[in-house]
Amino acid sequence: GNSVTQMEGPVTLSEEAFLTINCTYTATGYPSLFWYVQYPGEGLQLLLKATKADDKGSNKGFEATYRKETTSFHLEKGSVQVSDSAVYFCALGDAGGTSYGKLTFGQGTILTVHP
Amino acid sequence: EAGVAQSPRYKIIEKRQSVAFWCNPISGHATLYWYQQILGQGPKLLIQFQNNGVVDDSQLPKDRFSAERLKGVDSTLKIQPAKLEDSAVYLCASSLAPGFTYEQYFGPGTRLTVT
Repeated sequence: GNSVTQMEGPVTLSEEAFLTINCTYTATGYPSLFWYVQYPGEGLQLLLKATKADDKGSNKGFEATYRKETTSFHLEKGSVQVSDSAVYFCALGDAGGTSYGKLTFGQGTILTVHP
Repeated sequence: EAGVAQSPRYKIIEKRQSVAFWCNPISGHATLYWYQQILGQGPKLLIQFQNNGVVDDSQLPKDRFSAERLKGVDSTLKIQPAKLEDSAVYLCASSLAPGFTYEQYFGPGTRLTVT
């Protein structure tokens, strides 16, 4: 079945540091890939997505590239801010089958950014 | 535009008791999802509705969990009887339609503690 593996957290960085959160997946076919973010006290929000190989999703300075050859979708940001402190979830969307729209999530990575 | 509403936000019950959660999706959203998020894990899909019909309930523990979506709008998720391992955050999400062209919008969740 489908699965998503994220790097273990928590991740602690200083403001303006470079961020990478690794995500790899296992899936049949050609899934869509997503990063969701959960800020303290808030619900999950879509951060970015990519629907086919070599697509790059980007939003709020974050970006991730869909790499089919390495089955990866790593999240990066060049300069993090304190306001980026949150839990980040990588997710896979199955494009086929009976549950069109079903998301499979990784376990989440807690990011804390210090001033 | 109002987001996905859920209630209650917190619930504490003893094992073997019953509990119900309510979700009001974004107006006009035909697809509704219930996810279970156990502490330290990513959300796991329990059930997906398209209007008032069930699309996928393959991961719903049907011996104790039930869900309905009356008139294709609000939805309730019930657990009866609850077990200790049901302690989790229950997330409701909605989208205009199934598939990944349409973003899933998440509610704030209901945190259930079973003692």
